[in-house]
Amino acid sequence: SYVLTQAPSVSVAPEETARISCGGNNIGTKSVHWYQQRPGQAPVLVMSADRNRPSGIPDRFSGYNSGSTATLTISRVEAGDEADYYCQVWHSTTNHWVFGGGTKLTVL
Amino acid sequence: VQLVESGGGAVQPGRSQRLSCEASGFYFSGYGMHWVRQAPGKGLEWVASISYDGLDRYYAESTKGRFTISRDISKTALYLDMSSLTVEDTAMYYCAKEGGGATFLDHWGQGTLVTVSS
Repeated sequence: SYVLTQAPSVSVAPEETARISCGGNNIGTKSVHWYQQRPGQAPVLVMSADRNRPSGIPDRFSGYNSGSTATLTISRVEAGDEADYYCQVWHSTTNHWVFGGGTKLTVL
Repeated sequence: VQLVESGGGAVQPGRSQRLSCEASGFYFSGYGMHWVRQAPGKGLEWVASISYDGLDRYYAESTKGRFTISRDISKTALYLDMSSLTVEDTAMYYCAKEGGGATFLDHWGQGTLVTVSS
């Protein structure tokens, strides 16, 4: 099975830049998607296909994917960005959808 | 787009339960649908998916053989039939819609909580 690895937590000060990584075998050959989940709420898609922002997602959010790591970058972090972030890919070999373990973003 | 799950609640180990998801605001017959679960304090776990036409169904290894995903076009509803439930199946269960022709989930319901306990 395909495994996505995320750091459990990332902490940044307001107005700084947060980088949330997602590791996987040759993940650069896959399309990576990112979800934000605030406490007590359902997940929300914040980045699709490596670098595409859905409507309503601020341009402070950006994405990159190459080699063995995909990265979600949040610039000028705000208190409202505090949430869990999950990466996700579709594993074509099994037709399974795979989520990373999630990264908790804390805004100091 | 609106996805509203129902059917959660307390159930004893070994028993069965059916979850439902009422979909509205989009052409239900045109999109694949998924169930994703989240155990208390844990991360997201993909459970099962069904193609737009219902012909293709896929399951996580942890649920294969016990869970069945289905859809009713006439009712614009998605279902998850769960059997032989264990305490490890305790989770919030989310219904989610695929992006058109894509491999991401662009809309999620608010979830329904299933608690398996004796």
